[in-house]
Amino acid sequence: DTAVSQTPKYLVTQMGNDKSIKCEQNLGHDTMYWYKQDSKKFLKIMFSYNNKELIINETVPNRFSPKSPDKAHLNLHINSLELGDSAVYFCASSRGTGLAQETQYFGPGTRLLVL
Amino acid sequence: QQQVKQSPQSLIVQKGGISIINCAYENTAFDYFPWYQQFPGKGPALLIAIRPDVSEKKEGRFTISFNKSAKQFSLHIMDSQPGDSATYFCAASSTGPGGTSYGKLTFGQGTILTVHP
Repeated sequence: DTAVSQTPKYLVTQMGNDKSIKCEQNLGHDTMYWYKQDSKKFLKIMFSYNNKELIINETVPNRFSPKSPDKAHLNLHINSLELGDSAVYFCASSRGTGLAQETQYFGPGTRLLVL
Repeated sequence: QQQVKQSPQSLIVQKGGISIINCAYENTAFDYFPWYQQFPGKGPALLIAIRPDVSEKKEGRFTISFNKSAKQFSLHIMDSQPGDSATYFCAASSTGPGGTSYGKLTFGQGTILTVHP
């Protein structure tokens, strides 16, 4: 009964490869997010979707492409992986009322290591 | 541009002591200030949050103090316990046009808290 789940938990790959990370939430939320946490633990939002529509798209290389097949799923595809992409990627979700004080629920993270 | 600055980077406290983490923000449009707690290997989880219309909010051993004029807010953990050892993030968001924020949280750099038994 995990609220926000991500797969895989760990991902080790070579530079130049393409990989995907999947996220699912069973909270009935309308909004989902992708965050990147770097080696210094700094958390930065990458993307946000509301009801399958992209609403936040921060300055992220276009090698990163989010896809939301339905409002319970938000996947992240990364093309041509680079060393600097090594990080922990967190998926999160919120109710999607649009109010600033919504709680965001985070998944357990996917630890990506690019060699 | 770092819009939310957090200090200290790390903090060591003895069991029973008070842990204090400070944050300062630049964007006066911010109107929601949550604190998230992250244990090793886990995702962040909301701990406590405050809106700028109050100067203090307390939940159990955790208190947020907010100073709107100074654009600063802080987290106080009373009677700190070893189980409180985690990374703490302050964050901020603002209500955008049309009354929505789209959930865009700007995080501070994080504080690694260690509580010694």
